[in-house]
Amino acid sequence: DGGITQSPKYLFRKEGQNVTLSCEQNLNHDAMYWYRQDPGQGLRLIYYSQIVNDFQKGDIAEGYSVSREKKESFPLTVTSAQKNPTAFYLCASSVSGTTYEQYFGPGTRLTVT
Amino acid sequence: AQTVTQSQPEMSVQEAETVTLSCTYDTSESNYYLFWYKQPPSRQMILVIRQEAYKQQNATENRFSVNFQKAAKSFSLKISDSQLGDTAMYFCAFMNNNAGNMLTFGGGTRLMVKP
Repeated sequence: DGGITQSPKYLFRKEGQNVTLSCEQNLNHDAMYWYRQDPGQGLRLIYYSQIVNDFQKGDIAEGYSVSREKKESFPLTVTSAQKNPTAFYLCASSVSGTTYEQYFGPGTRLTVT
Repeated sequence: AQTVTQSQPEMSVQEAETVTLSCTYDTSESNYYLFWYKQPPSRQMILVIRQEAYKQQNATENRFSVNFQKAAKSFSLKISDSQLGDTAMYFCAFMNNNAGNMLTFGGGTRLMVKP
């Protein structure tokens, strides 16, 4: 089955630790995206990548980093510089250069205490 | 920058009735796309319907249809014959096809379908 996987579903970390969220897709999509969702709110774009080895900051990139070494993978690192890291994180992908819809993964709930 | 506003934080509807969710947006672009996504309690984002701004005809997908008013920058979603499985958060989203296909989301409307 084609789709997007995010692991783990729930993640717990201590304050001051970096943590990496996984996102893998087998849809052969060029473009991938990371969003953050806070309770009762919409999604906000953290980073996006249109092609391997290239990525751009979204609206709330501070305290986050990404890499895009493979077409299928777009991991997100939440660094200790992120002041409020507890949130629900969603990864998405789409066909690059088009206005087709984005397909979303199931999300990762990160809790930092 | 684009903004998307959903003015109804919560709504409820009786099963089998019709409900309309509102969305307005602000942009200076002429070519763009609009989407409605559904997020059920599982939190999986699911595309409901898509509208191209250059098309005058309103998009429909089975029980879901939109009322797209380009001049008014309004994009409402109508759900007919509401079903219990329609209970979810609904997000309106804007895509500028000149800006890397990034989506700008509204704050969402929580819809409860009552039996």
